[in-house]
Amino acid sequence: GAGVSQSPRYKVAKRGQDVALRCDPISGHVSLFWYQQALGQGPEFLTYFQNEAQLDKSGLPSDRFFAERPEGSVSTLKIQRTQQEDSAVYLCASSLGYGTGDEKLFFGSGTQLSVL
Amino acid sequence: QQQVKQSPQSLIVQKGGISIINCAYENTAFDYFPWYQQFPGKGPALLIAIRPDVSEKKEGRFTISFNKSAKQFSLHIMDSQPGDSATYFCALSGNTGKLIFGQGTTLQVKP
Repeated sequence: GAGVSQSPRYKVAKRGQDVALRCDPISGHVSLFWYQQALGQGPEFLTYFQNEAQLDKSGLPSDRFFAERPEGSVSTLKIQRTQQEDSAVYLCASSLGYGTGDEKLFFGSGTQLSVL
Repeated sequence: QQQVKQSPQSLIVQKGGISIINCAYENTAFDYFPWYQQFPGKGPALLIAIRPDVSEKKEGRFTISFNKSAKQFSLHIMDSQPGDSATYFCALSGNTGKLIFGQGTTLQVKP
């Protein structure tokens, strides 16, 4: 595809439900990042994949958050037993290389999660 | 603990004016300083970036000024246009590709 694609665009969940957010990165991109953006704030890092390997998950807020990228392309961010504080926009980004720090990140439009 | 402090939180500029957004950081381990632009309902998009070995970088109407000793960098938008109205984020990057974003500045350019 032309860019990073995320689905669903909007997700409403009842407190306690599990949700799964999907990210399709740009084809061939090695690195994939997940960020959480609260309303009116800057994005905050959640986790980083290099191909299928999850190299950094230091930003995941709790063990209710789980991410995977089993074949090194599509990634899924799963949130178990959602809480109201999980309400945010979840952004996925990809880059061509191996996360050297000066690469351009391409962001998707995000999934807006609302937990009622 | 905020690793990067961005100001102002919001900014209103007349068309044709200069918009200036500032960021300050503490940790000198970072070596790449990008600015991202975000429109409502969209993800951030890279606007311009600088390395600390230069003091200024210009791309079209957008300029980054970097003061390594003061640990500050700023974005200047010359001849601001209504289409520049968006939220701007400075960011810090080390050698892992992980970005640490500022709090954001909402810019409104009045026609």
